[in-house]
Amino acid sequence: GAGVSQTPSNKVTEKGKYVELRCDPISGHTALYWYRQSLGQGPEFLIYFQGTGAADDSGLPNDRFFAVRPEGSVSTLKIQRTERGDSAVYLCASSREQGYNEQFFGPGTRLTVL
Amino acid sequence: GDSVTQMEGPVTLSEEAFLTINCTYTATGYPSLFWYVQYPGEGLQLLLKATKADDKGSNKGFEATYRKETTSFHLEKGSVQVSDSAVYFCALGNSKLTFGKGITLSVRP
Repeated sequence: GAGVSQTPSNKVTEKGKYVELRCDPISGHTALYWYRQSLGQGPEFLIYFQGTGAADDSGLPNDRFFAVRPEGSVSTLKIQRTERGDSAVYLCASSREQGYNEQFFGPGTRLTVL
Repeated sequence: GDSVTQMEGPVTLSEEAFLTINCTYTATGYPSLFWYVQYPGEGLQLLLKATKADDKGSNKGFEATYRKETTSFHLEKGSVQVSDSAVYFCALGNSKLTFGKGITLSVRP
């Protein structure tokens, strides 16, 4: 079956602009996770959803970052007033349910803020 | 908070050499432990996992044992292949995952 997909694969924007990154999880997976990976580092947790609700958003760095999952499937990560430090690969993962061990990762969206 | 420390890289080995990649952790509670791998041009994928102390995870000839007494989860393989060249990440968690920095392994023929 289809894996986790993310769009766009690459996004270049200017400082101060607004961006949206989309994640389509594996069908039937109720838990969805967002991570951010900077060059030479491991992924860092941002937020995860169980169904439509954010179960833990403790990794969001500040209030410029926001994520939604209105129907419990597709999720959108939104970044307002982008800064150069936001440049990274944004990874999405899904799992069958919260706490289920295996998370399946998408290919990521590479965000570059000029 | 939780943290994962991986040995510094990169690591370069000849084919058929023995591999050990060290991973130690600090955590509250009883997290599961994982090794994820990222092959060139591909996304992160789970290599193996262990859910409780003394469990051994294994896959594709790789093994790692959950050692609570030494808070470690070292990755081993008896004979590496060129196709094992990739970036390896140690991670822990039950829902959200905490990752190490990753280590690049290059295997030469």
